[in-house]
Amino acid sequence: DGGITQSPKYLFRKEGQNVTLSCEQNLNHDAMYWYRQDPGQGLRLIYYSQIVNDFQKGDIAEGYSVSREKKESFPLTVTSAQKNPTAFYLCASSIGDSLLYEQYFGPGTRLTVT
Amino acid sequence: KNQVEQSPQSLIILEGKNCTLQCNYTVSPFSNLRWYKQDTGRGPVSLTIMTFSENTKSNGRYTATLDADTKQSSLHITASQLSDSASYICVVNPGDSNYQLIWGAGTKLIIKP
Repeated sequence: DGGITQSPKYLFRKEGQNVTLSCEQNLNHDAMYWYRQDPGQGLRLIYYSQIVNDFQKGDIAEGYSVSREKKESFPLTVTSAQKNPTAFYLCASSIGDSLLYEQYFGPGTRLTVT
Repeated sequence: KNQVEQSPQSLIILEGKNCTLQCNYTVSPFSNLRWYKQDTGRGPVSLTIMTFSENTKSNGRYTATLDADTKQSSLHITASQLSDSASYICVVNPGDSNYQLIWGAGTKLIIKP
């Protein structure tokens, strides 16, 4: 998984609770990303960050928030405003712009909200 | 609308056999195309990256082809092994949108002994 760790592997929460997913990388990559994967669909970009203290919304940012206080860390918070949070969440990183450089993925966190 | 369509949705073959997975895209402009392998419950791992000028690229038993004129790509797996059981995802880089790759839904490949 290329030096990217995500924790926990499985996460269960009650509806209405916020939950934070961890993502850490030791690849010294500048860019980091959060994707959501649902059955039968391609990965969808939630947020990305090109540099510390800066991040941009992807296609489906509503109901999510992120921070990038350190180069190696990019936590994702799934808020109670996210209407359908149950999914497989993938964190990735790249040396720079993902359009030019390969993305390396973590092992993922499966979130179940009931 | 930029789209990546993969076929078949799923495929079952016997160990040792070859197979070919298809990817059609409508993404424009086009910069490069990638194939990823994703084991169940794991993150995707890159197999190949091809620019519009490359027709074929190999990575061991995996060979990807690209026809930029017809906007089609294929991934050929030779002499399949049980460890090839996974989802194979085609990803297109439009080259004009920061960080926004276009992901296919994947083909789920099952290798049976």
